Amino acid sequence: AQRVTQPEKLLSVFKGAPVELKCNYSYSGSPELFWYVQYSRQRLQLLLRHISRESIKGFTADLNKGETSFHLKKPFAQEEDSAMYYCAPEKSQAGTALIFGKGTTLSVSS
Amino acid sequence: ETGVTQTPRHLVMGMTNKKSLKCEQHLGHNAMYWYKQSAKKPLELMFVYNFKEQTENNSVPSRFSPECPNSSHLFLHLHTLQPEDSALYLCASSQEGRFGSGANVLTFGAGSRLTVL
Repeated sequence: AQRVTQPEKLLSVFKGAPVELKCNYSYSGSPELFWYVQYSRQRLQLLLRHISRESIKGFTADLNKGETSFHLKKPFAQEEDSAMYYCAPEKSQAGTALIFGKGTTLSVSS
Repeated sequence: ETGVTQTPRHLVMGMTNKKSLKCEQHLGHNAMYWYKQSAKKPLELMFVYNFKEQTENNSVPSRFSPECPNSSHLFLHLHTLQPEDSALYLCASSQEGRFGSGANVLTFGAGSRLTVL
C-alpha cells in the first residue's frame, strides 16, 4: 500500500540551529511531492513542491529516490518557523487527491 | 471575498440533528475536497469532486453526504452523527486536469469546527 511516514511528532530546536523534518514515502511510479505548513491560527498552506526546486522561507526539500525520502531542511531555524508541517507525497487510490502524513510540530525557541 | 470560504466556522449539534457545512471557492478552480482534521488522524481525505463529479469517496460513513452543485460550491450534509465525528472539517480546492492529472496544489479554507454532543 502507498504510505507516507513522518517519524517525528514533535521537533524542538533552538533559534539558529539547523532543522530537518523527515518524510519517507512508499510510492509506485514518480511521485509529486509537497510540503504543507500550518502556522498557529492560520490556514493550511503549501510551503513548497519538489518539482519547482525552490527555497521558500529558507526551506528546501530534496527528493532522494534511493532512500524514498523527501526531508525538509533549513540551515538556521527562526522562531516564526514554529508550526505544523505535513508531508504529502502520496496520491489517493484513484490518484485524484493528496494523502498527507501525520505531521510534525516544529517548535523553535530562543 | 477571495480564496476558500467555509461556513459556519463553529457548529454544535446533537446526534439526531441534520446540519450542513458549506464551502465556496472564488479561485476558478475545478476540483474541491473535504478533509477531516482531528487529534487522532491529522488530515484524512473524505471526498473529492473533479469537474463537479465525485471522483473519490474515501470509505466515509453514509452519515456524511457531500453535494457539489457547481464547481464553486461544495456542501457536506450531516445527519445522525456520532461524538467521534467531532473534528475540524477542511475544504480545499485546486485546478486539476479532468482525470486528476493536475498539480494538486491545494488552497484550504479555515475550516468548520464541529462538535457532536
